[in-house]
Amino acid sequence: DSGVTQTPKHLITATGQRVTLRCSPRSGDLSVYWYQQSLDQGLQFLIQYYNGEERAKGNILERFSAQQFPDLHSELNLSSLELGDSALYFCASSVDGGSSYEQYFGPGTRLTVT
Amino acid sequence: AQSVAQPEDQVNVAEGNPLTVKCTYSVSGNPYLFWYVQYPNRGLQFLLKYITGDNLVKGSYGFEAEFNKSQTSFHLKKPSALVSDSALYFCAVTDSGAGSYQLTFGKGTKLSVIP
Repeated sequence: DSGVTQTPKHLITATGQRVTLRCSPRSGDLSVYWYQQSLDQGLQFLIQYYNGEERAKGNILERFSAQQFPDLHSELNLSSLELGDSALYFCASSVDGGSSYEQYFGPGTRLTVT
Repeated sequence: AQSVAQPEDQVNVAEGNPLTVKCTYSVSGNPYLFWYVQYPNRGLQFLLKYITGDNLVKGSYGFEAEFNKSQTSFHLKKPSALVSDSALYFCAVTDSGAGSYQLTFGKGTKLSVIP
């Protein structure tokens, strides 16, 4: 168990809908990263938050957004969903300091868009 | 820009034999390097990292990796493979000077350990 929790584990929804994925980082970790894993694109970085502020953006679509709350949990919002958004979405948390830069991953949310 | 190459989609090894999973990387600055393992329908599990210092790093479950700056490689090794090591292995890199430690992953290598 990595200490990172994600809910829900599975999500099935229709095209055009909006969903919210939730992530709670390990205790003490200020950094939260979101990644998308799909068969054709592999593992891709989406966005990072550090202590409530956006730190970096990767290949994140404009239909997607995220935020990190004062208690450090994070949410990834996906809107106007398309079939191609079906994927496994991971969040990871890290200390990002000292010699501790490894990220610890949650179990993921499997999103199926029908 | 940063990138990772894992040249082998699949590696097959007999139980008890040594295993190697290859990884090469490209970053502008100094690399931080990581290996992760993924079992079916599970998240990624951290195995080991290279940040600085000794080029040979040891990690979980008897795995180790050697950082080679001149060859820009970070191959994962284990002296004696177990059937339970069968899984998908990912190499990842981040640029230590980039301001964000976002990971760039290779495509993954499926390791099959044959009894």
